[in-house]
Amino acid sequence: DVKVTQSSRYLVKRTGEKVFLECVQDMDHENMFWYRQDPGLGLRLIYFSYDVKMKEKGDIPEGYSVSREKKERFSLILESASTNQTSMYLCASSPEGYGYTFGSGTRLTVV
Amino acid sequence: EDQVTQSPEALRLQEGESSSLNCSYTVSGLRGLFWYRQDPGKGPEFLFTLYSAGEEKEKERLKATLTKKESFLHITAPKPEDSATYLCAVRNFNKFYFGSGTKLNVKP
Repeated sequence: DVKVTQSSRYLVKRTGEKVFLECVQDMDHENMFWYRQDPGLGLRLIYFSYDVKMKEKGDIPEGYSVSREKKERFSLILESASTNQTSMYLCASSPEGYGYTFGSGTRLTVV
Repeated sequence: EDQVTQSPEALRLQEGESSSLNCSYTVSGLRGLFWYRQDPGKGPEFLFTLYSAGEEKEKERLKATLTKKESFLHITAPKPEDSATYLCAVRNFNKFYFGSGTKLNVKP
């Protein structure tokens, strides 16, 4: 089975901190994605990547950046965390043309 | 406008009471419809992929069907452990569209 592993299940950070969320997949998938999920708003795409060192903005990229230096790893960076970035963050990967496999999620609280 | 709509938003069933969840979509160039199950505080877990109208997939008490405009997730004789949020997503040439989910609660 494909595994998508997110480094933390729960994180608490202070406003203004730089935050790194890590995601690793073990099936050589080309595509990787970062979503956030909020009650009443559903899943919203932040950034995605189709290949190493490539990145594309999703629907809500403001306040975030990403890094993909290796095919298996896709990092989401909150440059200066704010309280409105408190959310569940979900990483996903997929081979070209197929559906997603999601990680277990990171619940981030910014105080 | 491409979009996915799920109904109902929430559904309460008694154990053993069969029902269906709906996912209607308006997406040009459908390249797959996906059903996921999500438990509280966890990531969505893949259930089914459907690619063409008339296709059906089954897994235990769940059966997914697809027409040109919508998909149904039929739940037969549900158990309390089937309680979760069920998400539908569709893919066109270059993007995924997620519905907002149906929260299912099965009472013993």
